[in-house]
Amino acid sequence: AQKVTQAQTEISVVEKEDVTLDCVYETRDTTYYLFWYKQPPSGELVFLIRRNSFDEQNEISGRYSWNFQKSTSSFNFTITASQVVDSAVYFCALSEAPRPAGNKLTFGGGTRVLVKP
Amino acid sequence: DADVTQTPRNRITKTGKRIMLECSQTKGHDRMYWYRQDPGLGLRLIYYSFDVKDINKGEISDGYSVSRQAQAKFSLSLESAIPNQTALYFCATSDGYNQPQHFGDGTRLSIL
Repeated sequence: AQKVTQAQTEISVVEKEDVTLDCVYETRDTTYYLFWYKQPPSGELVFLIRRNSFDEQNEISGRYSWNFQKSTSSFNFTITASQVVDSAVYFCALSEAPRPAGNKLTFGGGTRVLVKP
Repeated sequence: DADVTQTPRNRITKTGKRIMLECSQTKGHDRMYWYRQDPGLGLRLIYYSFDVKDINKGEISDGYSVSRQAQAKFSLSLESAIPNQTALYFCATSDGYNQPQHFGDGTRLSIL
């Protein structure tokens, strides 16, 4: 069965500090997708990124970057020069290859990021 | 207008009542999902549907039922609500295999 672990339940930083969120996953499939979602205090879930298991290239989008390492089953997320608006709960999620009951997302427990001014 | 709309946004009810949460979408997606969110547990899948005639149980379906009335509508029912079903409920849609899921704004349900 697939599993996603976000060991950090809460991280508190001061504005402009960098923060890295860890995500470790377990799966028996060779084809799978990983996702990050953001849940701001208002409660909605916002999709941030999708990465497939065959693409280990790191990705940067503005102040956000993602490091995918298949060898360690990790898909970590870094916020550079954090801002107060980055305060949210961040979820890592895993989706395995198609099957009759496919395309279910398994979520980690989430990491709450608090950015203080 | 939101692409995925959940009603109601908030609901407080009593133990033993039957509750229905509704979800409608304008994205034209075939796949729809119901999740519940509890602190520290992330989101857990209750039920999912790949089309009107296809409904499947998720990991925590006990105490819940669903109805897919149309491609755009997927409702979740709590047959006899109990306090440990107090949670934030999300509906989501997707456009197929391994596409991002699009979530509604959530329904905060409190059962007294």
